[in-house]
Amino acid sequence: EAQVTQNPRYLITVTGKKLTVTCSQNMNHEYMSWYRQDPGLGLRQIYYSMNVEVTDKGDVPEGYKVSRKEKRNFPLILESPSPNQTSLYFCASSSGQNEQFFGPGTRLTVL
Amino acid sequence: AQSVTQLDSQVPVFEEAPVELRCNYSSSVSVYLFWYVQYPNQGLQLLLKYLSGSTLVKGINGFEAEFNKSQTSFHLRKPSVHISDTAEYFCAVSAAGTYKYIFGTGTRLKVLA
Repeated sequence: EAQVTQNPRYLITVTGKKLTVTCSQNMNHEYMSWYRQDPGLGLRQIYYSMNVEVTDKGDVPEGYKVSRKEKRNFPLILESPSPNQTSLYFCASSSGQNEQFFGPGTRLTVL
Repeated sequence: AQSVTQLDSQVPVFEEAPVELRCNYSSSVSVYLFWYVQYPNQGLQLLLKYLSGSTLVKGINGFEAEFNKSQTSFHLRKPSVHISDTAEYFCAVSAAGTYKYIFGTGTRLKVLA
């Protein structure tokens, strides 16, 4: 089954404790992206990747890092999480500039 | 830079009535336009997209949208809604040739029995 998977689905952590949210897709898509969803703000793009070792900033990259060492994986790293990074995070992938397939989401709470 | 405006944060409508969810965008270059739906506690899935060609686009679940370049709009319509259409709907724009996507703030459609 074609899908985008994210882990963990739920995470509660404390300020400053480094964490990684993993994202994996099995559709051989070149493009992958991370979004955060906040009430009243819709989805905002954090980072995106056009292919292996090629990444670029979206609209809200501050406080986040990404890497794309393999085509199928695109982890999101929070080196020092803060409460304002409490949000619902989505990973997405696509083939070219076309329909994006979204993962189920990761709900992160930073205390 | 591109931007997207969804003026209606919530739209209540009775079952079997028609609905229109509005989306306006701004861009100085050619764009691709998308509508996504998010059911409660789920990710987003594509309803329809406009990349080029016919300005009237038909999507899944009986939805359609019309690309209007002069009015910079991409409104979503359905002639008769069902209870199961209750969800949040997002309009998104991407400048042609780029991978930056801008999403609107979403419209909550609530279908009433």
